[in-house]
Amino acid sequence: GQQLNQSPQSMFIQEGEDVSMNCTSSSIFNTWLWYKQDPGEGPVLLIALYKAGELTSNGRLTAQFGITRKDSFLNISASIPSDVGIYFCAGSGGFQGAQKLVFGQGTRLTINP
Amino acid sequence: DGGITQSPKYLFRKEGQNVTLSCEQNLNHDAMYWYRQDPGQGLRLIYYSQIVNDFQKGDIAEGYSVSREKKESFPLTVTSAQKNPTAFYLCASRPTGTGSSYEQYFGPGTRLTVT
Repeated sequence: GQQLNQSPQSMFIQEGEDVSMNCTSSSIFNTWLWYKQDPGEGPVLLIALYKAGELTSNGRLTAQFGITRKDSFLNISASIPSDVGIYFCAGSGGFQGAQKLVFGQGTRLTINP
Repeated sequence: DGGITQSPKYLFRKEGQNVTLSCEQNLNHDAMYWYRQDPGQGLRLIYYSQIVNDFQKGDIAEGYSVSREKKESFPLTVTSAQKNPTAFYLCASRPTGTGSSYEQYFGPGTRLTVT
């Protein structure tokens, strides 16, 4: 099945730094979702984007729905230790409708205190 | 508390045995999903169900089976035909209908180890 291209695959940063990651697709989507997964747990929804060009924030997190509907990015400002985990993007509502999500491979974030 | 529960958290089986993973939700969601996650990988869709008594194969359905007899429950059976069953299994659900979203909500996962 299709997968999104998510980058970078991993990031090693210092506490307090800003983080940026992105997802691209060859297909258009009507929805972009960003999830965070802690080790051994299920993914938790962080931000949902429904409109091309939309910029949405959730605390220190900001995500944007690309104007072409083929990409999205997630920024985390002033990182803290609890931001450690794997971040996944997911797209839906394109050629396959709303029933299924297509996931990126994930970005593993590690923070040095 | 509304949510999705998966049990058990850890499951160990011998090769050649079938095993059933439980997924229950009290969110009144119509759609439910099963994903498989391998180390360092993204999520791959095994099966999904939009409504009771109906389900569809995902991208990697071979060696798995499901049932959807109740809205709240979507159990996954990993059969002996699955060549590499050791993985982390995630269940998710999504509301459907007028005004519903594309957002899926995940359970805590079951880690299956087959030796």
